[in-house]
Amino acid sequence: DAGITQSPRHKVTETGTPVTLRCHQTENHRYMYWYRQDPGHGLRLIHYSYGVKDTDKGEVSDGYSVSRSKTEDFLLTLESATSSQTSVYFCAISEMSGDGYTFGSGTRLTVV
Amino acid sequence: GESVGLHLPTLSVQEGDNSIINCAYSNSASDYFIWYKQESGKGPQFIIDIRSNMDKRQGQRVTVLLNKTVKHLSLQIAATQPGDSAVYFCAEMAGDTDKLIFGTGTRLQVFP
Repeated sequence: DAGITQSPRHKVTETGTPVTLRCHQTENHRYMYWYRQDPGHGLRLIHYSYGVKDTDKGEVSDGYSVSRSKTEDFLLTLESATSSQTSVYFCAISEMSGDGYTFGSGTRLTVV
Repeated sequence: GESVGLHLPTLSVQEGDNSIINCAYSNSASDYFIWYKQESGKGPQFIIDIRSNMDKRQGQRVTVLLNKTVKHLSLQIAATQPGDSAVYFCAEMAGDTDKLIFGTGTRLQVFP
């Protein structure tokens, strides 16, 4: 999707290892979000950011941390990956509070 | 591509017919609603939105209807085309939050 890039697109990692997913935007939007998508659950919010160094938890934040040191990058870290964190992860951005989101193309993470 | 939902409700329609996808939302304080389309292997794509001060909004071939009394949202697609085949998600946002909450999705299948 234009203006928002997720990396890597695919990753396989072992249980217990740390993993960092990156979301990069070129839109200079204030708000950034991390969601995970699993069959039967739709998209669930993990963490979000409303500015540089300003982050908050979503509904499924356990086992995840985030950092936003600059406007364009929002990092999602799994400190010690577990099999339950196997999922497709989507980053989203929005310009203002109360606006719709633009989503990235997703990262498929498999924890073995 | 990734499977976004193995057990999603499915709507099957014939090409050229109109489609209606329904969504019940949970939070009576929600005042902003969006429909997203997700094709296999891609991130959700914004289709149309509506705020709670309206009960109908039209786009190109799509109409969203909002019934706040029964907390129901619908997406109507006119003259459905094969390219409309995807999973459709409704999402709601309450005015005092910056977070979109997604439904579990409906798969639309268009057959010739």
